[in-house]
Amino acid sequence: AQSVAQPEDQVNVAEGNPLTVKCTYSVSGNPYLFWYVQYPNRGLQFLLKYITGDNLVKGSYGFEAEFNKSQTSFHLKKPSALVSDSALYFCAVSRGGATNKLIFGTGTLLAVQP
Amino acid sequence: EPEVTQTPSHQVTQMGQEVILRCVPISNHLYFYWYRQILGQKVEFLVSFYNNEISEKSEIFDDQFSVERPDGSNFTLKIRSTKLEDSAMYFCASTNEIRSGNTIYFGEGSWLTVV
Repeated sequence: AQSVAQPEDQVNVAEGNPLTVKCTYSVSGNPYLFWYVQYPNRGLQFLLKYITGDNLVKGSYGFEAEFNKSQTSFHLKKPSALVSDSALYFCAVSRGGATNKLIFGTGTLLAVQP
Repeated sequence: EPEVTQTPSHQVTQMGQEVILRCVPISNHLYFYWYRQILGQKVEFLVSFYNNEISEKSEIFDDQFSVERPDGSNFTLKIRSTKLEDSAMYFCASTNEIRSGNTIYFGEGSWLTVV
């Protein structure tokens, strides 16, 4: 069965500092990994994904994520955090297949202090 | 940029009442989903739909739930007799093809409060 773990309920970082939001996954076969962001009272917005190829994936708003197969991780990173990055971040995994459904982690609240 | 739209944004209903949540997926998309997020919990898959039939459903999606594509643009989720535990944010989503790793796009959600 597929699963995603986001070990941190909340990450606090000062504006201008680098940020990391952690994600590990468990899936049989090739994983397809996604990050979505949810701003307050808004829907899920796609940030970036890993399918194959280069382990470092770049996405929207300056975010990037690194796929590490040996550690089964897909951590989200940004070199310099903005207050406007404060939101709930969800990691998700898909195994492809007939429906390509996503399995989400529990989410990590990112709080960027000015 | 095309987007998935959902109505209503918020609905309060009494326990036992029927609720219909509506979605307009992105226009060239053919695969549709409903997910839900109970307050403070993770986003959970409910059902996927393609070619006018359910392609997969979760354990949550019991006989109280149904989905329909009544016309060429709308995709609906019906809860026949709501329970308190159905209170959640319901997200509609769509994608244009089932290809491994294809991006699924979500709407802004419909908040359902059952009282």
